[in-house]
Amino acid sequence: QKEVEQDPGPLSVPEGAIVSLNCTYSNSAFQYFMWYRQYSRKGPELLMYTYSSGNKEDGRFTAQVDKSSKYISLFIRDSQPSDSATYLCASRGSQGNLIFGKGTKLSVKP
Amino acid sequence: GAVVSQHPSWVICKSGTSVKIECRSLDFQATTMFWYRQFPKQSLMLMATSNEGSKATYEQGVEKDKFLINHASLTLSTLTVTSAHPEDSSFYICSASPGTGDEQYFGPGTRLTVT
Repeated sequence: QKEVEQDPGPLSVPEGAIVSLNCTYSNSAFQYFMWYRQYSRKGPELLMYTYSSGNKEDGRFTAQVDKSSKYISLFIRDSQPSDSATYLCASRGSQGNLIFGKGTKLSVKP
Repeated sequence: GAVVSQHPSWVICKSGTSVKIECRSLDFQATTMFWYRQFPKQSLMLMATSNEGSKATYEQGVEKDKFLINHASLTLSTLTVTSAHPEDSSFYICSASPGTGDEQYFGPGTRLTVT
């Protein structure tokens, strides 16, 4: 079992829709969780960073962590065509390294 | 702030040759740098972790004699792919961190094609 699992999609939604992206993880010791956005042929950029369980909101983006079910979510409200990208969830390992999911490719249609 | 650059952004080389990729932290000192590889439609896979002034720590299955990593200063790390083969063609991305456990900032990546 991979340490971080993510459905690669692709996911296509109309502009203005609410997008829900999800990951699961297997290591109960993970405490730090991140969501990255990666445009084609570019490096990942950090979107959201959460510690332990709970919600974190930043503009149109909300990150949720449920440690009891080992579930990580990212919600995008009022999605825009510029949100079209691959979204990667990640957890931080014990050595400070990041363990990534496969990424979900999102397409927001105008 | 927290900008990481990579050079070159893309490179094509012939099988059997070596290629060097540079990763620089432009506005902070990077105690730790990470090198990742990403194949098409796959996730980023950590290859190695390097701390300034010490030998890199390689992930299982990554050949340290093939992927030479040098982290000689707090702002520069290099990855040299030696005797490259077509199966080494991939997107190589570095990240830099001011300290262990701190945030990682990613470079834009280098696309390597070995013919």
